[in-house]
Amino acid sequence: AQKVTQAQTEISVVEKEDVTLDCVYETRDTTYYLFWYKQPPSGELVFLIRRNSFDEQNEISGRYSWNFQKSTSSFNFTITASQVVDSAVYFCALSEGDNFNKFYFGSGTKLNVKP
Amino acid sequence: SAVISQKPSRDICQRGTSLTIQCQVDSQVTMMFWYRQQPGQSLTLIATANQGSEATYESGFVIDKFPISRPNLTFSTLTVSNMSPEDSSIYLCSVREASSYNEQFFGPGTRLTVL
Repeated sequence: AQKVTQAQTEISVVEKEDVTLDCVYETRDTTYYLFWYKQPPSGELVFLIRRNSFDEQNEISGRYSWNFQKSTSSFNFTITASQVVDSAVYFCALSEGDNFNKFYFGSGTKLNVKP
Repeated sequence: SAVISQKPSRDICQRGTSLTIQCQVDSQVTMMFWYRQQPGQSLTLIATANQGSEATYESGFVIDKFPISRPNLTFSTLTVSNMSPEDSSIYLCSVREASSYNEQFFGPGTRLTVL
């Protein structure tokens, strides 16, 4: 079974719309980390956020916000007032307590923001 | 975060040949990793590059096909041996810094096309 599921393959929005990217994970460990990365068309992965399993506080960074809910095993990412520069593939990833160095990436969600 | 460079940035190779990809970091890092991203797919960990010893390979990847070196704390190479068209992918180097919690930072990737 997939450890990280990003059910949305591709999303298209118009600039200034809000958009939420879903991420559902599966683990039996009580200690784990969750991450979001952005991969623009240039190909480089850009680290956005890390969250550990003991910290369920939601986080906001500018137009970006993240909602971590252990009860639903979800770590969703919302972009407020989207911009064309937000167009990219976004990956959610999980690392678990037995080997924090091994990342399990979701399949990614391609976000298209149209002007 | 560390600045990571990869060479070459892209290459087109013939079936049966080998290509060595270099990953250079501008500071000493604790861990270095190699990932593969097949076209339109997510990232898969190939191996952890260990300084001064043999790399640790993930299931499905073997040293004969993907020999890895890490002679010091700032440099690693990945060789893709006896290439076939199925090896066409983006190969990414990532690092984990001693100062980071657990996140990995990625290089720009090497786009490999095998004809």
